[in-house]
Amino acid sequence: QVQLVQSGTEVKKPGSSVRVSCKASGGTFNTYAIAWVRQAPGQGLEWMGGIVPIFATANSAQKFQGRVTITADESTSTAYMELSSLKSEDTAVYYCGSTVSGYVDYWGQGTLVIVSS
Amino acid sequence: EIVMTQSPATLSVSPGERATLSCRASQSVSSNLAWYQQRPGQAPRLLIYGASTRATGIPARFSGSGSGTEFTLTISSLQSEDFAVYYCQQYNKWPRGGTFGPGTKVDIK
Repeated sequence: QVQLVQSGTEVKKPGSSVRVSCKASGGTFNTYAIAWVRQAPGQGLEWMGGIVPIFATANSAQKFQGRVTITADESTSTAYMELSSLKSEDTAVYYCGSTVSGYVDYWGQGTLVIVSS
Repeated sequence: EIVMTQSPATLSVSPGERATLSCRASQSVSSNLAWYQQRPGQAPRLLIYGASTRATGIPARFSGSGSGTEFTLTISSLQSEDFAVYYCQQYNKWPRGGTFGPGTKVDIK
């Protein structure tokens, strides 16, 4: 069973960047992909993108292209999601999740990112 | 981009009753459809994948059906812990995307 532990709450200024980490244990890191999903306060789930660590290939939703960078470090079994040019609308809980075929079977605990001046 | 819609937005059900939730895709996603449950303050939990396969540890009262553009999640007899928000997700274009529906909130009647 895969366990995913994410980094802690972040408070950022508009226009800055944030990087959220997601450390995996259990399973073999290069046998699954990592997806990133966010949830604004009181809102639904929003797919941001994902990475297949073994191929180091990342994809992102069109909405986030140019602003999100998803990477993975196989040596530490850790995936990262960096979001730049932050706006207040980016205030959300950011989740990572493991996936083999596109559905997320294990989830991290979530990381709250607050964007405020 | 594939757009997912869910209906109804809110479903009020009494404990022990059946709940039927709908999900529609703007174009065919074959059977590449998952359902998740999210309780307040918690991460989502995978219930169903492949439109109809229950995830590990999911009770048999949860069932999924459909293919193409129309999908249904049925909860046969609602328990107190089932009152939550349910999301569908298509992953037909994986790894190039996996859009979610807006969710259906199941609350106590």
